[in-house]
Amino acid sequence: KAGVTQTPRYLIKTRGQQVTLSCSPISGHRSVSWYQQTPGQGLQFLFEYFSETQRNKGNFPGRFSGRQFSNSRSEMNVSTLELGDSALYLCASSLGGTVLEAFFGQGTRLTVV
Amino acid sequence: DQQVKQNSPSLSVQEGRISILNCDYTNSMFDYFLWYKKYPAEGPTFLISISSIKDKNEDGRFTVFLNKSAKHLSLHIVPSQPGDSAVYFCAAGDSSGSARQLTFGSGTQLTVLP
Repeated sequence: KAGVTQTPRYLIKTRGQQVTLSCSPISGHRSVSWYQQTPGQGLQFLFEYFSETQRNKGNFPGRFSGRQFSNSRSEMNVSTLELGDSALYLCASSLGGTVLEAFFGQGTRLTVV
Repeated sequence: DQQVKQNSPSLSVQEGRISILNCDYTNSMFDYFLWYKKYPAEGPTFLISISSIKDKNEDGRFTVFLNKSAKHLSLHIVPSQPGDSAVYFCAAGDSSGSARQLTFGSGTQLTVLP
């Protein structure tokens, strides 16, 4: 069974630009969550999607948005990039329901210059 | 307010000995706990989980203990191997909630010395 796939793996963008990251969950998984990891901050929850609906959102500004498609694939968008947005962005998929085990992709390393 | 805390940023253990990683939580709604292992430039890998109805769960060399009254859990790795060297994250969630959000600790860097 294929794991969680995130594309691209690495990205360099200029301050003020926007970026879209993609995540394909494990087949059969309907829940997709996004996390941001920065040095010393651990993993910070961004948002979670289930059946194309955002169910929960973390404490991030509105520049961070996402969506989920009918095939459960998800995209995350960050507009008006700031230097502080440089981070590893991780996507995790899970079955949903009462199952909390989430399986992560390898992440997208975003560098804003 | 950190709801999940891993107070030891690092831990060094000799190969073959036991590694004990600790985690504390404050949110009483958390009823499901997970441990993840992470290598640099990779996503976290799920290791083991435990529900609040249990106080112990074992999988091979990995055992997780949960002390609900103390709001404390620990991961034991026996015996420790050099390949176990990685950052270990503790995570917690509310299985009754509608959203599948995990709250993570800040991680503990485990180094297993040969």
